[in-house]
Amino acid sequence: EVQLVQSGAEMKKPGESLKISCKGSGYSFTSYWIAWVRQMPGKGLEWMGIIYPGDSDTRYSPSFQGQVTISADKSINTAYLHWSSLKASDTAMYHCARLFGQLVPDYWGQGTLVTVSS
Amino acid sequence: EIVMTQSPATLSVSPGERATLSCRASQSVSSSLAWYQQKPGQAPRLLIYGASTRATHIPARFSGSGSGTEFTLTISSLQSEDFALYYCLQYNNWPPHFGPGTKVDIK
Repeated sequence: EVQLVQSGAEMKKPGESLKISCKGSGYSFTSYWIAWVRQMPGKGLEWMGIIYPGDSDTRYSPSFQGQVTISADKSINTAYLHWSSLKASDTAMYHCARLFGQLVPDYWGQGTLVTVSS
Repeated sequence: EIVMTQSPATLSVSPGERATLSCRASQSVSSSLAWYQQKPGQAPRLLIYGASTRATHIPARFSGSGSGTEFTLTISSLQSEDFALYYCLQYNNWPPHFGPGTKVDIK
């Protein structure tokens, strides 16, 4: 069974750093792209970027380029989303998803809620 | 970037009725269009990809149609579990973009 399990909710202060994770199982982790999707409170879905764990090829949506870093450790089947300096506007639910075919998200993690507040 | 719009923003439907949701792209996305269902507190669920192919385990009452810039998701007979938010996603051009969503609620 394909599963993506994300790390738990985080509460941080502005300016702090944070790395959240997404661990895949039940499939060949290195053979599928992983996407990160943001969902701000009460809002829609925003595509942040993708990574191919097989070779760590990474692509960012223009809105998120330079704002976050996406990485992966294929030895432990885990993808990451990292902020070096959080802002209050980073408060959101963050979803990871496996992509199949022409980059279609099929399996999703349960989401990680990040709250940034002073 | 391609801008996606969805209409209506909210659709009020009685159980057993048909629901028709629309998604429009600002330029052609060919058939690279997917539909997702999201319920409160849950991750999105893939319903349709390639504009008209049902994903695994998706009931036949869900169907998708369209190509180019105009797409439709039809739920032939709404069940109680279908009241949710629905998003379209274009994945033909980088970056992929979701539409703003249509909320299907009980009339």
